[in-house]
Amino acid sequence: ELKVEQNPLFLSMQEGKNYTIYCNYSTTSDRLYWYRQDPGKSLESLFVLLSNGAVKQEGRLMASLDTKARLSTLHITAAVHDLSATYFCASRTSYGKLTFGQGTILTVHP
Amino acid sequence: GAGVSQSPRYKVAKRGQDVALRCDPISGHVSLFWYQQALGQGPEFLTYFQNEAQLDKSGLPSDRFFAERPEGSVSTLKIQRTQQEDSAVYLCASSLDLGTESMNTEAFFGQGTRLTVV
Repeated sequence: ELKVEQNPLFLSMQEGKNYTIYCNYSTTSDRLYWYRQDPGKSLESLFVLLSNGAVKQEGRLMASLDTKARLSTLHITAAVHDLSATYFCASRTSYGKLTFGQGTILTVHP
Repeated sequence: GAGVSQSPRYKVAKRGQDVALRCDPISGHVSLFWYQQALGQGPEFLTYFQNEAQLDKSGLPSDRFFAERPEGSVSTLKIQRTQQEDSAVYLCASSLDLGTESMNTEAFFGQGTRLTVV
């Protein structure tokens, strides 16, 4: 059974600081997703990582994938308040079923 | 609209009542998924349709849960004799994916239906 674990589960950051969220998955997966969820809202797709060594960046967020280590990271650079949300990673099985991590609640303070 | 639409947005049901949750996927999307998201948790897979065929229902928590997609478009998730533990947000997602080799597998999520069983 595929398991996906994120850490930390709670992250309180000061504006301007950098931090990384880690996502470990237990079995071989052909792609890894990162989503953002604001309170009471649905899931917004941030990144899709398709292969080993893939790195994608959008604004202050950068995601990477190491399939050998079964590890993905979401790096936050110079955090701003607007980044406060819950972030999920999800691993995909062959037909598109997603297994999600527990989520990381990010709060950015002034 | 162009996105995945779910209705109702909110549903309060008395314990023992039956409920039906509707999902309108993006037009032309082959794959449709239902997920259950309990408070403070990540979404958990319930069931998967490819067109009208339900190919995986391994995530349905009990035989009180039933899903259908009779014409390969709109889907309905039905919960019979609701219990308090059924309280959650039910998310629907669709993707263009035509099979295991397809690259078009990005799933687009609806806003969800928040079900509260009292």
